[in-house]
Amino acid sequence: DVKVTQSSRYLVKRTGEKVFLECVQDMDHENMFWYRQDPGLGLRLIYFSYDVKMKEKGDIPEGYSVSREKKERFSLILESASTNQTSMYLCASSSWTSGGWGADTQYFGPGTRLTVL
Amino acid sequence: SQKIEQNSEALNIQEGKTATLTCNYTNYSPAYLQWYRQDPGRGPVFLLLIRENEKEKRKERLKVTFDTTLKQSLFHITASQPADSATYLCALPYGNNRLAFGKGNQVVVIP
Repeated sequence: DVKVTQSSRYLVKRTGEKVFLECVQDMDHENMFWYRQDPGLGLRLIYFSYDVKMKEKGDIPEGYSVSREKKERFSLILESASTNQTSMYLCASSSWTSGGWGADTQYFGPGTRLTVL
Repeated sequence: SQKIEQNSEALNIQEGKTATLTCNYTNYSPAYLQWYRQDPGRGPVFLLLIRENEKEKRKERLKVTFDTTLKQSLFHITASQPADSATYLCALPYGNNRLAFGKGNQVVVIP
């Protein structure tokens, strides 16, 4: 069974703090993703990584950075948290699919509900 | 622009009936489409994948159809149970290993 774990289920931080969200997967997947999910807006991709030290911006990368030093671990960093970053953050992983337009099944972690005060 | 549309209104359905959800898309040409289930406060869980050359796919009480001409997928839950209450999301591949997700359609099964 694929397992994706996230470091915290709930997190409360203050405006301006640096926030680290960590994600670990145990299936040797090449791809890892960070999404945020807000009511009425659905899942929005923040960043995507397809290999160690490789990353691509998603739809809403502003205010976020990522780090992937090991294949199984993908971190999301909020350099200076703001109240508009209060959200549910979801990490996912999948196998790499070659051929251009494919995308394999994604396996999600339980999510981190971040509140920025 | 690319768009995936799912009904934003919750579907309330009596236990034992069939729930049918719709996923419409524009400006995509997906080779396949995926369906996920999401419970409140949890991450989505993969349910089914249907390819463009498959008209129908079944898994237990779930059935999915895929019409590339209409650019539509239908998701059916037969003999629905209260435990089926959740939000269901469709997802399409859109390049370089990424999936685009619909906003989801909530199902509430009434005992």
